[in-house]
Amino acid sequence: EDKVVQSPLSLVVHEGDTVTLNCSYEVTNFRSLLWYKQEKKAPTFLFMLTSSGIEKKSGRLSSILDKKELFSILNITATQTGDSAVYLCAATTNYGGSQGNLIFGKGTKLSVKP
Amino acid sequence: DADVTQTPRNRITKTGKRIMLECSQTKGHDRMYWYRQDPGLGLRLIYYSFDVKDINKGEISDGYSVSRQAQAKFSLSLESAIPNQTALYFCATSDFLAGPYNEQFFGPGTRLTVL
Repeated sequence: EDKVVQSPLSLVVHEGDTVTLNCSYEVTNFRSLLWYKQEKKAPTFLFMLTSSGIEKKSGRLSSILDKKELFSILNITATQTGDSAVYLCAATTNYGGSQGNLIFGKGTKLSVKP
Repeated sequence: DADVTQTPRNRITKTGKRIMLECSQTKGHDRMYWYRQDPGLGLRLIYYSFDVKDINKGEISDGYSVSRQAQAKFSLSLESAIPNQTALYFCATSDFLAGPYNEQFFGPGTRLTVL
């Protein structure tokens, strides 16, 4: 059974801290790994990773994929209160009729204290 | 205007009632999806559709049905609502031709409460 596991499930830090969120996956015919940020309602897209070792970066956020060890990390440096959200990791598969479907982890709830 | 819209945004209903959640998109995407989100469980796929003639069950389709009335419209029905269908429901779209493994775009969600 395909699965995506995120850790930790929740995390509390103070502004200015650096955090690392983890995502491991076991997915048949894996194709890509995506990160989303969910603040109030709809998840919003952050990154898509398909190749090992190539870092994607957007401001203070960065992410990298390791296809050999089947995991990805999302780093947030100099955290701000606006980074408080649930971060979702999802994997896609190239398997039969499920091609392109997202398999989500349960999310990491990040709380950034002033 | 939002690219993916959902109606209603909030709904309270009673056990046994039939309810329909609607999703519309202006992105011109071919694929549409319905998910439910429960606290601590992430998002789980209910149904997905590749085009108006194609409907596929997801991980948790029991108790739900869908209709793809047009490329831009995808509705989710609960034929006889039960309390454990209380959840946050999301519609999403993706452009398969642009990249089958690319991101999906989510609507604002519908919070459904079944009493």
